Amino acid sequence: QVQLVESGGGVVQPGRSLRLSCAASGFTFRSYSIHWARQAPGKGLEWVAVVSSDGNTKYYADSLKGRFTISRDNSKNTLYLQMNSLRAEDTAVYYCVRETGFGEFDYWGQGTLVTVSS
Amino acid sequence: QTVVTQEPSLTVSPGGTVTLTCASSTGAVTSGYSPNWFQQKPGQAPRALIHSTSKTHSWTPARFSGSLLGGKAALTLSDVQPEDEAEYYCLLYYSDAWVFGGGTKLTVL
Repeated sequence: QVQLVESGGGVVQPGRSLRLSCAASGFTFRSYSIHWARQAPGKGLEWVAVVSSDGNTKYYADSLKGRFTISRDNSKNTLYLQMNSLRAEDTAVYYCVRETGFGEFDYWGQGTLVTVSS
Repeated sequence: QTVVTQEPSLTVSPGGTVTLTCASSTGAVTSGYSPNWFQQKPGQAPRALIHSTSKTHSWTPARFSGSLLGGKAALTLSDVQPEDEAEYYCLLYYSDAWVFGGGTKLTVL
């Protein structure tokens, strides 16, 4: 079955960096675009970024451009999110989400919590 | 900055019908915005319900349907069940970026 498992979350100080991972299984990872979305505690969902199936095309939410970088390693069936210059407002659960064909979001991971605090 | 607006909260009786909407600050929502709908229950990850305006996933209960209504994307729940109480989010496409709505808290009472 399709599985997306995020990891790498934790407590990090403001200004520091963190890299999240999303391990995929149960499907042909290299054939799908994958997104990151996040949810601050008690708040709604926010779209973060997407990477195309081959890793060559990437788009980001305007508010995050320059600080966050999405990437993937199709040989390892893994998606990444490099987060730099972290701020308190980046505190959230981060989810990876599969896109099956254009505009068809289907499977979500269970999320990993990032807490930015001194 | 693009804003996607949903009703903050709605209440429906069991067995009733309710429609949730999703509006765009840029104007009328069309199929080109590729509306998606998700359900999220407390402590859980979101679950996909609808994509491409009105297409369901294999796991989507038949009582959920998507459409365009009055310039907005819409999610209609028919014969509402107690387990439908949840937060519902829409997602719209804007030229290489996606924007979630603020969510609708649906209470079944």
